[in-house]
Amino acid sequence: AQTVTQSQPEMSVQEAETVTLSCTYDTSENNYYLFWYKQPPSRQMILVIRQEAYKQQNATENRFSVNFQKAAKSFSLKISDSQLGDTAMYFCALSGNTPLVFGKGTRLSVIA
Amino acid sequence: NAGVTQTPKFQVLKTGQSMTLQCAQDMNHNSMYWYRQDPGMGLRLIYYSASEGTTDKGEVPNGYNVSRLNKREFSLRLESAAPSQTSVYFCASSGRQGFNTEAFFGQGTRLTVV
Repeated sequence: AQTVTQSQPEMSVQEAETVTLSCTYDTSENNYYLFWYKQPPSRQMILVIRQEAYKQQNATENRFSVNFQKAAKSFSLKISDSQLGDTAMYFCALSGNTPLVFGKGTRLSVIA
Repeated sequence: NAGVTQTPKFQVLKTGQSMTLQCAQDMNHNSMYWYRQDPGMGLRLIYYSASEGTTDKGEVPNGYNVSRLNKREFSLRLESAAPSQTSVYFCASSGRQGFNTEAFFGQGTRLTVV
């Protein structure tokens, strides 16, 4: 079975600072994808970034980047220049031969 | 482009009542999913449909039934609602083939069972 663990239930960061959210996972598959989703207070699930397991290069989307350590089964999200609009729940998710499995989430608060 | 549309957005039920949550996608996706979100639990898979005509149980299927009506529509039915089914329900869809692609989500249904 695939599992995803987010060990930080809550985090906070000052506006304009950098924050890193942790995620570890377990899978026996070789071909899988990893995702970070953002859920603001509006409840909408928004894809932030994705990483294909076969790619060694870490994915980057503007202020968002990941540190993908395949051997350690670790997939952390770094948010640079944090903005008030980044305040949200963040979910790490894993897919492969089965539908997306989610972690329990990290609530991020950006403080002015 | 509507993406994934769920109805209703809010619902209050009495214990024992039944209801159907509707979901439709206009992205020509093969796979569709129903998740529930509870505080501190993340999103858990209730049922999914890998393609039109197939449905499978997820992690928490008890108390629910689903119907993949056609390629666009995937409904979730609660036959006899219980307070433990109070949750936020998300419908999602993905991909042209397989599960190894991002899922697109509806806006969710907040269901309260009293």
